[in-house]
Amino acid sequence: QSVLTQPPSAVGTPGQRVTISCSGSSSNIGNNPVNWYQHLPGTAPKLLIYVNHQRPSGVPDRFSGSKSGTSASLAIGGLQSEDEADYYCAAWDDSLNGHYVFGTGTKVTVL
Amino acid sequence: EVQLVESGGGLVRPGGSLRLSCAASGFTFTSYWMSWVRQAPGKGLEWVANIKTDGSAKYYVDSVKGRFTISRDNAKNLLILQMNSLRVEDTAVYYCARDCIGDCSGVDNYWGQGTLVTVSS
Repeated sequence: QSVLTQPPSAVGTPGQRVTISCSGSSSNIGNNPVNWYQHLPGTAPKLLIYVNHQRPSGVPDRFSGSKSGTSASLAIGGLQSEDEADYYCAAWDDSLNGHYVFGTGTKVTVL
Repeated sequence: EVQLVESGGGLVRPGGSLRLSCAASGFTFTSYWMSWVRQAPGKGLEWVANIKTDGSAKYYVDSVKGRFTISRDNAKNLLILQMNSLRVEDTAVYYCARDCIGDCSGVDNYWGQGTLVTVSS
């Protein structure tokens, strides 16, 4: 059972904006930076956002991250069919003796 | 080019052991913490363990503590996960991944392709 809670699913049509929330606590999101990963079945996860809102090179600016208090969000603007994937937030958790925790995951479906 | 290649997965009986390896190349292995992450069938990602650059510090998720051992051979650029007393719930694809360095924190953008571990009688 993850300590970072995400909605199980999010749905949008091409061109729409979709937002995924990630709810944690003071020991993880509240005190540590948040990363976001995109995971397509059968492939290695891809780092989408690091340190709350930074994008690695090559990640389109349609993807944006934010953090406030003990929650974080990932927004996907101008949704495209290739964005259909599972998305995970992640952060270190100070209460778990240096453990890195992933969120419960959100399946994004593009209609 | 950074490459991480896992090997060692397979089918094992409950209570059995398995040793996963991850061959790293394309970067200075000794400069990075390394992690193992797994995904059970139909489930989300779960961080399993990580290890400091020189192997002097290791951290584990509670569910594998005392059963799994992470180690590294810096001379061979190899990351290892020794898994003992395996349980059915350890069935998963296991990924080797590089941790971030510098202004990044957590698991980086470099992962292996994954190796499947199936624990079943």
